[in-house]
Amino acid sequence: AQSVTQPDIHITVSEGASLELRCNYSYGATPYLFWYVQSPGQGLQLLLKYFSGDTLVQGIKGFEAEFKRSQSSFNLRKPSVHWSDAAEYFCAVGPTGNQFYFGTGTSLTVIP
Amino acid sequence: DVKVTQSSRYLVKRTGEKVFLECVQDMDHENMFWYRQDPGLGLRLIYFSYDVKMKEKGDIPEGYSVSREKKERFSLILESASTNQTSMYLCASNPGERRREGYTFGSGTRLTVV
Repeated sequence: AQSVTQPDIHITVSEGASLELRCNYSYGATPYLFWYVQSPGQGLQLLLKYFSGDTLVQGIKGFEAEFKRSQSSFNLRKPSVHWSDAAEYFCAVGPTGNQFYFGTGTSLTVIP
Repeated sequence: DVKVTQSSRYLVKRTGEKVFLECVQDMDHENMFWYRQDPGLGLRLIYFSYDVKMKEKGDIPEGYSVSREKKERFSLILESASTNQTSMYLCASNPGERRREGYTFGSGTRLTVV
């Protein structure tokens, strides 16, 4: 069965530091993979996606993610975090039929 | 850009009331979804629809129903609201054949049932 695990419930980083958010998935074929960001009180915004080709994908706001099939991972990275990056981040995998599956999210706090 | 609009950002309803949450998308997407989001549980699928008048149960359909009379509109109905339905509700759409595009989400409706 398909599933997504985000092992870090909460991460705190200093502004300007690098960031890596982990995502591991279980899926029976080559997945479509996504990272979304949710600011407080808002819906989810797509940061980036992978469905084929180059395993390192670039997204908006300076984020990137790398698909590693051998590790069933799709970790999100940013070389230098800004205070405005404080938000909740969700990884998603699919599809199964028309449906995608989400992790439980990682909450990011950025300290000055 | 695709836009998904949820009619209310905040709602407060009384236990036992019938509640309607409305969602409209403007890009002719075939698929529409309703999720609820609770701390520590992530997003859980309530119902989805892949065509007008078509619906499929998600993981937690109990206590909810849906309606899709027009392609652009997908309504979530709480037949008799209960306090355990206090949550953030998110609507999303997806273009069907182009599922690799992922979902586009609305801004959410935070429902409080008192």
